[in-house]
Amino acid sequence: ETGVTQTPRHLVMGMTNKKSLKCEQHLGHNAMYWYKQSAKKPLELMFVYNFKEQTENNSVPSRFSPECPNSSHLFLHLHTLQPEDSALYLCASSQDSAPGYEQYFGPGTRLTVT
Amino acid sequence: KQEVTQIPAALSVPEGENLVLNCSFTDSAIYNLQWFRQDPGKGLTSLLLIQSSQREQTSGRLNASLDKSSGRSTLYIAASQPGDSATYLCAVNPMNSGNTPLVFGKGTRLSVIA
Repeated sequence: ETGVTQTPRHLVMGMTNKKSLKCEQHLGHNAMYWYKQSAKKPLELMFVYNFKEQTENNSVPSRFSPECPNSSHLFLHLHTLQPEDSALYLCASSQDSAPGYEQYFGPGTRLTVT
Repeated sequence: KQEVTQIPAALSVPEGENLVLNCSFTDSAIYNLQWFRQDPGKGLTSLLLIQSSQREQTSGRLNASLDKSSGRSTLYIAASQPGDSATYLCAVNPMNSGNTPLVFGKGTRLSVIA
């Protein structure tokens, strides 16, 4: 495996379900990110982790809960989501979260909330 | 607050044509600018990254320019092919946006007709 991988690639869940998205990077990077991409809107940064510590929470509702157990893995735990949370969720990594470092993106998880 | 605008939102051209995609940003204080490609429902693939001190970058049939003082970048695609059909995203790495590492435009959806 190389680069940034995400599982699952597609997920359909009901509003009362609990599910988790997983991201793994094989690049030796120290920073990882979650982005949300909704139709006709720019990518929105959700969370930033640097050396396993959360450095940014971009006013994300608490029904989204990130977890970063180590620099290679990032999770997004989902519970009691709303239909408007349906989107493509992208994970990215970079050498460091300081400005100026290039980010590498995973293929995304297409989430549908019914 | 940094904002990124991409024009046009969509573009359709015949195969073989040379084309230019435009990106503008409101704050010239940036570390770098990146162009990405996104195929439908997929993640982002980095095409070119231009550091703030650079004027242009080239990769194969792609050439990206940066005029930081005027807040503009262009992505030039030579001899377009149907396989170039995708959404092209521009993103800047701002100096004055706290921990926000990248600010994205909404993208230009390109269709190259055979």
